[in-house]
Amino acid sequence: DIQMTQSPSTLSASIGDRVTITCRASQSIGSWLAWYQQRPGKAPKLLIYRTSTLESGVPSRFSGSGSGTEFTLTISSLQPDDFATYYCQQYNTYPMYTFGQGTKVDIK
Amino acid sequence: ELQLVESGGGLVQPGGSLRLSCVASGFTFSNYAIDWVRQAPGKGLEWVSYISSTGITTYYADSVEGRFTVSRDNAMNSVYLQMNSLGADDTALYYCARAGVGLVNKKNLDVWGNGTTVSVSS
Repeated sequence: DIQMTQSPSTLSASIGDRVTITCRASQSIGSWLAWYQQRPGKAPKLLIYRTSTLESGVPSRFSGSGSGTEFTLTISSLQPDDFATYYCQQYNTYPMYTFGQGTKVDIK
Repeated sequence: ELQLVESGGGLVQPGGSLRLSCVASGFTFSNYAIDWVRQAPGKGLEWVSYISSTGITTYYADSVEGRFTVSRDNAMNSVYLQMNSLGADDTALYYCARAGVGLVNKKNLDVWGNGTTVSVSS
């Protein structure tokens, strides 16, 4: 089974900060990596798929990069709406998905 | 508006059964595969099951294989998750989600319901 590991688990940042979250796969998943945002009490929301493709309506301050086993999600300038938990998800083994454990971005 | 609405959650004793429903609206339901994803209290997301657009193909996480069964009724725009032999580890918020964006055989979950809560306790 493919394991997904995110770092850090928690990240404290201020409005306007550049934020980077890392996701590592236990084996190569090519470019089949997605990112989801989950605000408290809400359902997850797809942000990015295929490593770097922004879902429709997602602000351009979000970007993704990587390949193989190491991937990053970057928020170029953190906004109030961005305080949330972020999950990476591999779908190289589609239709069976594996999520990372999550990274909580909170206010510094 | 694209929408998925889950129902059927509740409190059940260990070893018991529950059937969750997910009703879709705002899109051509029969064109899309549907997944169930759960989230234990204070924990992360765990993929549970997949059912193809026709209902012919299903997949399950190892943690629920043999206990959970997913099915669908395209005439009713609905997907169901039959959960048997429930244990404390199955306590979670259960989401259904549409596998809607991406390549034919590499889809992502682009529409989610708000979830239904399952609690397993004596």
